[in-house]
Order: sequence, then C-alpha cells, then structure tokens
Amino acid sequence: GAVVSQHPSRVICKSGTSVKIECRSLDFQATTMFWYRQFPKQSLMLMATSNEGSKATYEQGVEKDKFLINHASLTLSTLTVTSAHPEDSSFYICSARRTSEYNEQFFGPGTRLTVL
Amino acid sequence: RKEVEQDPGPFNVPEGATVAFNCTYSNSASQSFFWYRQDCRKEPKLLMSVYSSGNEDGRFTAQLNRASQYISLLIRDSKLSDSATYLCVVNYFGNEKLTFGTGTRLTIIP
Repeated sequence: GAVVSQHPSRVICKSGTSVKIECRSLDFQATTMFWYRQFPKQSLMLMATSNEGSKATYEQGVEKDKFLINHASLTLSTLTVTSAHPEDSSFYICSARRTSEYNEQFFGPGTRLTVL
Repeated sequence: RKEVEQDPGPFNVPEGATVAFNCTYSNSASQSFFWYRQDCRKEPKLLMSVYSSGNEDGRFTAQLNRASQYISLLIRDSKLSDSATYLCVVNYFGNEKLTFGTGTRLTIIP
C-alpha cells in the first residue's frame, strides 16, 4: 500500500496555543487529502477535504477559522488547530487519496492531541 | 438510519475458527467499497477493496451484494493477530468522501 506520514505523532499543549499537524504522501501525489478526528470508542469523523491549490471544504459543524487547512503541494497538507481548548483533545488522522479505479485512501499514523 | 451500518460486536472467536461480518449501506448510488482494519489507538489500514465479483486475499474473502446493499468479510483460520476493529467503508459515485461504519470489534481467543 501507499505510505502516508503524519507529524507529530503526539503533542501536549496548553489551552490557548496553536498546534500544527503535517500530513505527507511519501510515494504518490495526492491532489486530495482528508482530515478526520476520532474520539475514544467512536468512529472516524471527517472534518474537511483538502484540495491542492484551493480552499478546503469543511464538513457541517467544523469551524474553518479554528481548524486551518493548507494544501500547498501535491504531497503535503497541514492542519492547524488554533487557540486549542481541552475539548479539542482527540486523535487527528489524515488520509491521502490515490487516484485509481477504486480511489483508495491511505491513512497517516495519526496525531494524538492533548490540550491541558 | 445510518448510511453504513455494522454490528458493533464484540465478536469473541476461538483461534482457527471462521468468522464473518456483514455491513449494509443505504445509498444505492454507492460505487466503491472497502474493508479497513483499525487496531487500538492506531490509524485505519486498508484491508481490501471489495470488487463487484467478490475477491479473495489469502484467508480473507469479501463479497458485494448490490441488490440487497450489503457487503461481507469472511476470515478463515483466524489468527490472534486478526484481533482488531473492522471498518466497513463506502464511497459514493461523484463524491470523494468515504463514509465509515462504526466498526465491528473482533477478538480472537487462544
């Protein structure tokens, strides 16, 4: 399968700070990447679709000014959680879509964010 | 009704047994189907895409029934390492987004 990296894997920060998470497709180009959030014992929830060279598309209920997404190249998308609060603590996972007949998505290893 | 429904389990199965999961989807415009597995506190990993004619990969067999709108996953000769949550995932025609089921928790017992 294709390889997607995500950095950092774990971050602990104080309330009010901003946290930047990077997602990279290592062996293929991804015009589209996705950002998900997963709370304990719950399924993945799509936050936004990131398109290279254009604005991200956010899901209903996700604040675009709080979760800033930049997809500057075909291999890199970033998610910045601005002014983080304890309720933002979660497992954030990115995925990259590989263009093929089946359009599989491959996931990064995730970033566990803890806001104190 | 959820777009993708799975029995959450848990399924506790003895090692070496055969286990099957079903998943139903509500949107008949669904185009692509996948099974992912997710280990505790890890990211989902693609297990197999589900083809219209069904497909097999080693001990794993996936089937698609468009008329009844369900897909299945069969695991034969189960191993301890098969313990995980299995996610049924659907993609709709013209839509890049994946829709996830809540997952089925499987534990293989020695």
